[in-house]
Amino acid sequence: DAGVIQSPRHEVTEMGQEVTLRCKPISGHDYLFWYRQTMMRGLELLIYFNNNVPIDDSGMPEDRFSAKMPNASFSTLKIQPSEPRDSAVYFCASSFVGVDFYGYTFGSGTRLTVV
Amino acid sequence: KQEVTQIPAALSVPEGENLVLNCSFTDSAIYNLQWFRQDPGKGLTSLLLIQSSQREQTSGRLNASLDKSSGRSTLYIAASQPGDSATYLCAAPSGSARQLTFGSGTQLTVLP
Repeated sequence: DAGVIQSPRHEVTEMGQEVTLRCKPISGHDYLFWYRQTMMRGLELLIYFNNNVPIDDSGMPEDRFSAKMPNASFSTLKIQPSEPRDSAVYFCASSFVGVDFYGYTFGSGTRLTVV
Repeated sequence: KQEVTQIPAALSVPEGENLVLNCSFTDSAIYNLQWFRQDPGKGLTSLLLIQSSQREQTSGRLNASLDKSSGRSTLYIAASQPGDSATYLCAAPSGSARQLTFGSGTQLTVLP
């Protein structure tokens, strides 16, 4: 298995531009999570999906952020318009919950820089 | 709401030492706890997952314990090596929810 795949690995954009981050979870996993990591705040959960349905988006900082999961193999996190304070590493993770919870597998992250 | 605390924030040890990293959590009604490793500029790698029915898990030189009643977990690293240098993160779920809450991590440096 290729693991959780995120793209792009790095993104540099100008303030006000739209940014789209992409994630392909592990096949068969039914949960997908988007996290943001900064030095000041550590890892913060933004939103998570179960079977492609958003369950909790209370961590999304504001309306400029939106996330979709159109099918079981793809999710996007969009920021429009982007601001310098959005600069962070964005991680996607997926998991499978059966009889037991099998833990998270993280992608390599997207390092976003908004200038 | 789950809160996860890790101490110490940073640790520097000479190669070969055994060491313990600590993690505490406020909501003890958890069904598992997970330890991760993060290298600088990289993603998170899962090290150990302890189910609530277990008290400890071992993988090579790593041993993680879980005490739900006291809200604590420890990660024991035996015979540390310079390659163990990284940030170690503890994560616990918020009650019956599936999302993990992360501690701020312990930055470990093993000196050759």
